[in-house]
Amino acid sequence: EAGVAQSPRYKIIEKRQSVAFWCNPISGHATLYWYQQILGQGPKLLIQFQNNGVVDDSQLPKDRFSAERLKGVDSTLKIQPAKLEDSAVYLCASSLAALGTANYGYTFGSGTRLTVV
Amino acid sequence: AQSVTQPDIHITVSEGASLELRCNYSYGATPYLFWYVQSPGQGLQLLLKYFSGDTLVQGIKGFEAEFKRSQSSFNLRKPSVHWSDAAEYFCAVAPSSASKIIFGSGTRLSIRP
Repeated sequence: EAGVAQSPRYKIIEKRQSVAFWCNPISGHATLYWYQQILGQGPKLLIQFQNNGVVDDSQLPKDRFSAERLKGVDSTLKIQPAKLEDSAVYLCASSLAALGTANYGYTFGSGTRLTVV
Repeated sequence: AQSVTQPDIHITVSEGASLELRCNYSYGATPYLFWYVQSPGQGLQLLLKYFSGDTLVQGIKGFEAEFKRSQSSFNLRKPSVHWSDAAEYFCAVAPSSASKIIFGSGTRLSIRP
């Protein structure tokens, strides 16, 4: 089966600019996650979708970050305006479980490496 | 607070030697437990997971992990490492009733020829 697709692979922007990342999960996976992985740290959950609804966005800096999952398939994560500390790898993952339970684990994409200068 | 601890930031072992990566968690009940591996520039790949039953779990690439409730640990092991095992390894947990997975800070594994 095809994996989780993410684009772009790399992005360099100046601070205060905006940027968007795209994720296409595995077909049929109801649950989609965006994680932020800062260099030297483990991934941190930003937002979780169940179909096209948000389940958990408690760790999303909503003053600058936004995400949507229209039609319950693809998802975009946007940062506006970007700060230097947003430099990280942004990982998308999807899960088959309808309730997003941990039973099935996640399948991760390769990520988008963002550098803010 | 719920947490996952990987006490070793960086480990170097010789090729062919055995490996053990440590992971401790703090949760009230037995959580779901995972080990992921991340090669440079790649996403995370699931090595193995534990939900219940036999406390010794076999995974891909010759890895295994043992759940020890008394020690709140889920250490990853491999009897003989290969140069291709050099990567970052993440322990992760999810509370039984929750859906999100929380990751540790990772252990970087280097292999000495």
